[in-house]
Amino acid sequence: GDKVKQSPSALSLQEGTNSALRCNFSIAATTVQWFLQNPRGSLINLFYLVPGTKENGRLKSTFNSKESYSTLHIRDAQLEDSGTYFCAAEESGTYQRFGTGTKLQVVP
Amino acid sequence: GPKVLQIPSHQIIDMGQMVTLNCDPVSNHLYFYWYKQILGQQMEFLVNFYNGKVMEKSKLFKDQFSVERPDGSYFTLKIQPTALEDSAVYFCASSSTGGFNYAEQFFGPGTRLTVL
Repeated sequence: GDKVKQSPSALSLQEGTNSALRCNFSIAATTVQWFLQNPRGSLINLFYLVPGTKENGRLKSTFNSKESYSTLHIRDAQLEDSGTYFCAAEESGTYQRFGTGTKLQVVP
Repeated sequence: GPKVLQIPSHQIIDMGQMVTLNCDPVSNHLYFYWYKQILGQQMEFLVNFYNGKVMEKSKLFKDQFSVERPDGSYFTLKIQPTALEDSAVYFCASSSTGGFNYAEQFFGPGTRLTVL
């Protein structure tokens, strides 16, 4: 089965509201990346994390390696935040595994 | 941010033909990757490459696939012969380090391959 699972699989948010996306691992992840795949298909780097928290504008991400999860918080959602969010986890000595994705639609 | 380029953006070929997908990685990066994404699905790792060699590959990296980066030019993924199930978007990525100190990967815009 999938070693990196994301929830929810799809989400509709009203513009201006907040939400959190989650990534659960069944591997001993050492690093996590979060990406936004925009409607054109391009992958935009959001965060690269070792255990801890990073913040960038309206986005904040936490990676808890002991409890095997990572979260991406979106504050004050905007229409341009729409797309599919992927997390990708690396286990030391092996390749990066992508999650199943969360499809986010921000509506006016 | 750092840019990875991919050529072509789209490729349509007949089943059984050979295809080469080209990637121009970030200039000072040393580790290169190919991923496959079937429409609407998750990104699947295919292979990573460093110092002229394949470091790791997944079960999706079939015998018909090969990668190379001759003389520091494009990092290429060749499929020979192609099959219908090879239709997908192929993403190239690069990072400055790898091995046990993987660094942030930067992705190209993808090449959409359609096998007829």
